[in-house]
Amino acid sequence: AQKITQTQPGMFVQEKEAVTLDCTYDTSDPSYGLFWYKQPSSGEMIFLIYQGSYDQQNATEGRYSLNFQKARKSANLVISASQLGDSAMYFCAMRESTTGNQFYFGTGTSLTVIP
Amino acid sequence: ETGVTQTPRHLVMGMTNKKSLKCEQHLGHNAMYWYKQSAKKPLELMFVYNFKEQTENNSVPSRFSPECPNSSHLFLHLHTLQPEDSALYLCASSQELAGGSHVETQYFGPGTRLLVL
Repeated sequence: AQKITQTQPGMFVQEKEAVTLDCTYDTSDPSYGLFWYKQPSSGEMIFLIYQGSYDQQNATEGRYSLNFQKARKSANLVISASQLGDSAMYFCAMRESTTGNQFYFGTGTSLTVIP
Repeated sequence: ETGVTQTPRHLVMGMTNKKSLKCEQHLGHNAMYWYKQSAKKPLELMFVYNFKEQTENNSVPSRFSPECPNSSHLFLHLHTLQPEDSALYLCASSQELAGGSHVETQYFGPGTRLLVL
């Protein structure tokens, strides 16, 4: 079974609007972390935001926020006030405390911001 | 600037060539990783080094050979590759705390785009 599922291969958003990128995960480990990365066309993966499984509040980092719904096992990324520079691939990832260094990545969502 | 550099950024090689990819992290981290990213596929973890010791090898073919001479440098030696090995190879590093905290994120380099002819 897939550990991380991203069901949106491509998304479009108007500049200055908000957009939500979906991510669901599968784990039986009570302790885990969820991450979002941005990958521009240049190739490097840029860390955006982290949510721990025991965190009571949704993580926020500037224009990025994570809508964490533990019971549904979802960790959607919300980007507010989209900018042209937000156009990129976005990857959701998970790390379980029992599997050490293993990070599980989704297939990614390609976001295009329209002027 | 993420503190992780990779060279070369682009590489074209024949199936009989031998080449090496280099990764260097300037973040003082103690764990380093090699990933393969092919089109339309999730990132595939290839190798993990913790404190210079290889801790993961996810069934990677022997034509890929990693080397970690110290905690700042990681190499991926390539020989007799196949066209299906063409991909983006990403290096990452993280700081692993004793006890295996899960909160540490990985920081990635810009990747090496490899084309095998």
